[in-house]
Amino acid sequence: KAGVTQTPRYLIKTRGQQVTLSCSPISGHRSVSWYQQTPGQGLQFLFEYFSETQRNKGNFPGRFSGRQFSNSRSEMNVSTLELGDSALYLCASRTFSGRGGEGKLFFGSGTQLSVL
Amino acid sequence: TQLLEQSPQFLSIQEGENLTVYCNSSSVFSSLQWYRQEPGEGPVLLVTVVTGGEVKKLKRLTFQFGDARKDSSLHITAAQPGDTGLYLCAGVSAASKLTFGTGTRLQVTL
Repeated sequence: KAGVTQTPRYLIKTRGQQVTLSCSPISGHRSVSWYQQTPGQGLQFLFEYFSETQRNKGNFPGRFSGRQFSNSRSEMNVSTLELGDSALYLCASRTFSGRGGEGKLFFGSGTQLSVL
Repeated sequence: TQLLEQSPQFLSIQEGENLTVYCNSSSVFSSLQWYRQEPGEGPVLLVTVVTGGEVKKLKRLTFQFGDARKDSSLHITAAQPGDTGLYLCAGVSAASKLTFGTGTRLQVTL
């Protein structure tokens, strides 16, 4: 069974540009979450999608957005990039049982974004 | 805002030594997970503890969930270089939202 696939692996952008990151979950997983990881702030939750609907959202500005397609693949978009957006962006998928059942979270290898 | 503080932040030990990593919060979680992350990779789930006071063992790793479900510890016996990595605890809320700890970077040398 293939794992969570994130593309691209590395990305270099300049301030003010926008970027779109892609995530393909494990087959059969309907929940996709996005996290930002930086040395200073650690791993921070961005948002989670389940069946094309955003279920949870972290405390990030509106420049960070996402969506999920009918095949469960997800994209994350960051507009008007800032230097502080440089980070490893991780995607994770899980089978979501609802009613508090957290399921096992599987992470991709991430997209390393550098904003110059 | 739920916060999970891990200590120590960094740990450098020699092969064969024992160590304990702590994960503390003022919030109660429905369960707590521990992950290990190696350079260039995403975190990998090691264990989930659900019941207050629960102890789980994974080979040389022992995980404990506090009685009040606010804190947890990870004890590694006879550490090996393969244990090197970033250890992350994550509290799971009733809404299945994960809050990750600040992380403990472990280096085990020969």
